[in-house]
Amino acid sequence: AQTVTQSQPEMSVQEAETVTLSCTYDTSESDYYLFWYKQPPSRQMILVIRQEAYKQQNATENRFSVNFQKAAKSFSLKISDSQLGDAAMYFCAYRSAHWINFGKGTHLIIQP
Amino acid sequence: EAGVAQSPRYKIIEKRQSVAFWCNPISGHATLYWYQQILGQGPKLLIQFQNNGVVDDSQLPKDRFSAERLKGVDSTLKIQPAKLEDSAVYLCASSLNRGSYNSPLHFGNGTRLTVT
Repeated sequence: AQTVTQSQPEMSVQEAETVTLSCTYDTSESDYYLFWYKQPPSRQMILVIRQEAYKQQNATENRFSVNFQKAAKSFSLKISDSQLGDAAMYFCAYRSAHWINFGKGTHLIIQP
Repeated sequence: EAGVAQSPRYKIIEKRQSVAFWCNPISGHATLYWYQQILGQGPKLLIQFQNNGVVDDSQLPKDRFSAERLKGVDSTLKIQPAKLEDSAVYLCASSLNRGSYNSPLHFGNGTRLTVT
């Protein structure tokens, strides 16, 4: 199975600051997608951003961007101008034709 | 577009009782997933359907868990008999097609199960 590792169980950031959540994965496949999901206390998993493995350009969605390093198998999420509503669990996910795996999550705390 | 619907939102049962969860995926989504999420952990896939056929149920504890997706739309997940360690959030998700792995999973709000 393709493992996904999130090494930061919890991160804290001041409101309006920038925070980076890390994710690494292990795979021998060449064609796959990577996703970041946000899970607020309401429990619904919400897609934040996705990245295709074949694209070198890092994906960006408003205040959210990724740093995708394919050779290093690293896929970090950067949140700029953090807002109170960003507080949630964040899960990194790997998806290919054969696998869908999630990391254990990072709990993001926003300090007002 | 309507999202993935799940019910109930919460359920409390005693061990050895049975429970069932219901999921209605997004219209047109062929693939449906049931995940178990224990507190503090990431979602763990229990079963994956493509239309009304099972694609992957390798992590489903088949001695107590069962799932079906009749007619390839709605799905139910059942636990019988429940154990204390089944206490978790059960998430249902759907996606367009199993082969379209660029399409993200869309999740429901989940059912929080507490087994006492």
